[in-house]
Amino acid sequence: IVMTQSPLSLPVTPGEPATISCRSSQSVLHSNGYNYLDWYLQKPGQSPQLLISLGSKRASGVPDRFSGSGSGTDFTLKISRVEAEDVGIYYCMQGLQIPRTFGQGTKVEIK
Amino acid sequence: QVQLVQSGGGVVQPGRSLRLSCAASEFTFSSYGMHWVRQAPGKGLEWVSFIWHDGSNEFYANSVKGRFTVFRDNSKNTLFLQMSSLTAEDTAVYYCAREGQCYSTSCGLDYWGQGTLVTVSS
Repeated sequence: IVMTQSPLSLPVTPGEPATISCRSSQSVLHSNGYNYLDWYLQKPGQSPQLLISLGSKRASGVPDRFSGSGSGTDFTLKISRVEAEDVGIYYCMQGLQIPRTFGQGTKVEIK
Repeated sequence: QVQLVQSGGGVVQPGRSLRLSCAASEFTFSSYGMHWVRQAPGKGLEWVSFIWHDGSNEFYANSVKGRFTVFRDNSKNTLFLQMSSLTAEDTAVYYCAREGQCYSTSCGLDYWGQGTLVTVSS
């Protein structure tokens, strides 16, 4: 499954919203009703961290300004009000099939 | 606090082998599937391998199949990646990661190791 993110670069203003899109070449909706689509943030110099799983479930400790939505092949990660600590590279990943596949990454930086 | 502590990276010559380790603590290691993910310098994330919680099944990316072997020792709470016939294209930071569980299904790679750099160079 090929994962395609847009945009690849996203300059943001603190306090403003931001949106990243992810599209899969095949549906990642399982017959159990779950979309196997995750979002990760890799901050500079750090390991990736899970933000959202199953399309919309926030991981433990993730601020509620992050939200995930979508189904099937089209997904969105929204940051309601960007903070300076949100800079880094955001990746989507499908968890439906082996091999797992990641999007190219979206670099978020402060304007 | 769940911890995954990695070791075993370094510089290795092309064609040689290297073994990575990932020591788990503060969770029931034998209940979780585990992944390896790598990141070449300046590049994105690439999934490498996955092993079931009990070690009974393993899966590999095509790029490493036949050269890499994932295994685990649940008695020692440790995950391994045995890498052989290494090439320059295997140069990357390698991460181990736990496959999370929720709603009786898998839900993301919820904990990651700190990463270990493997450099393949003569």
